[in-house]
Amino acid sequence: ILNVEQSPQSLHVQEGDSTNFTCSFPSSNFYALHWYRWETAKSPEALFVMTLNGDEKKKGRISATLNTKEGYSYLYIKGSQPEDSATYLCAFIFGNEKLTFGTGTRLTIIP
Amino acid sequence: NAGVTQTPKFQVLKTGQSMTLQCAQDMNHEYMSWYRQDPGMGLRLIHYSVGAGITDQGEVPNGYNVSRSTTEDFPLRLLSAAPSQTSVYFCASSSRQGGLGQPQHFGDGTRLSIL
Repeated sequence: ILNVEQSPQSLHVQEGDSTNFTCSFPSSNFYALHWYRWETAKSPEALFVMTLNGDEKKKGRISATLNTKEGYSYLYIKGSQPEDSATYLCAFIFGNEKLTFGTGTRLTIIP
Repeated sequence: NAGVTQTPKFQVLKTGQSMTLQCAQDMNHEYMSWYRQDPGMGLRLIHYSVGAGITDQGEVPNGYNVSRSTTEDFPLRLLSAAPSQTSVYFCASSSRQGGLGQPQHFGDGTRLSIL
């Protein structure tokens, strides 16, 4: 079983502040890393698929970076809004097509 | 498009009963998978399939069977339900076009309670 670790487990951020959190994964045999946004009572929705070392992806106020050599990815949210409150999951994929999910970072934006 | 459809949304079973959770997708995705979500454990892969007729085990396969007779459907069978299988189950699918690692599309989940 491969370990995908996310930190912190939970985070409270004031509306308007920026924040970031981390996904750590095994650096060997890397294929891809996914980020998902999971709102309460809904199903996870894909944010980014990252495959190359040094990848940077952006969607609106949310961006992500990838370092496959050291085995980590950062997710950044700029100018947090209440609708950003959700659990953010990362998932690691190695050669046999199995996805291994982290336990997520639960983000709460305080109005 | 309906996307990924899971039925039922809720189910209560008694220990020892069997049932099938249904999953269907209309996106012609080759890759389909089942996850269970438990508090503090995140999403754990039960079984997955890379195409019709091909299935493989994930992280927590014991107590579950799957089959993939068509591209569209990927049912998950509990042969003899146990209280430890109380969980929320998610089905997901993705395309394999353009290589591996395409984003997963999730169903709405099935909340299963075993008494």
